[in-house]
Amino acid sequence: AQSVTQPDIHITVSEGASLELRCNYSYGATPYLFWYVQSPGQGLQLLLKYFSGDTLVQGIKGFEAEFKRSQSSFNLRKPSVHWSDAAEYFCAVGLYNQGGKLIFGQGTELSVKP
Amino acid sequence: GAVVSQHPSWVICKSGTSVKIECRSLDFQATTMFWYRQFPKQSLMLMATSNEGSKATYEQGVEKDKFLINHASLTLSTLTVTSAHPEDSSFYICSASRGVSYNEQFFGPGTRLTVL
Repeated sequence: AQSVTQPDIHITVSEGASLELRCNYSYGATPYLFWYVQSPGQGLQLLLKYFSGDTLVQGIKGFEAEFKRSQSSFNLRKPSVHWSDAAEYFCAVGLYNQGGKLIFGQGTELSVKP
Repeated sequence: GAVVSQHPSWVICKSGTSVKIECRSLDFQATTMFWYRQFPKQSLMLMATSNEGSKATYEQGVEKDKFLINHASLTLSTLTVTSAHPEDSSFYICSASRGVSYNEQFFGPGTRLTVL
């Protein structure tokens, strides 16, 4: 069965520090992978996506993610976190053979210390 | 481009009444729309997938008669929560797909439903 795991429920980093949010997936075929960010009471904003090609993808707001097939991972990174990055982050896998259905991870809440 | 709106953004209703939530794709035609439910501090759970002009496909465990979904046009889908009860209180989010390659979904801002 398809699944997405985000091992860290909550992470706190200092402003200016680097960030890595972990995401592992289980899917029988080549996945379409996404990272979304959600601020409290808001919808989801797409940070970046991977469909094929270069395994290091760049997104908005200075985020990047690397697809590692051997580890079934798609970790999100940012070299220097800003206070405005505090939010909930969701990793998702797209099931292109099921009408594009998305399976979401549990989410990681990011807090930023001044 | 690829903007999705939802209306209302929040709604409070009495137990036993029905509530309709609209999801619109503003600048593209959405062949497929998705409805999600999100409880506080939890992930998004897919409720159903709807394609324009056909019946919605509900996920296991979602009551079809309680959550009525209509996708009447390529830019509008509606979710009606019938005979709402306090346990239906949640954050409902829709998304829309253009149906082109990769079927990327574009999300609406969500609707907060509170049932008293």
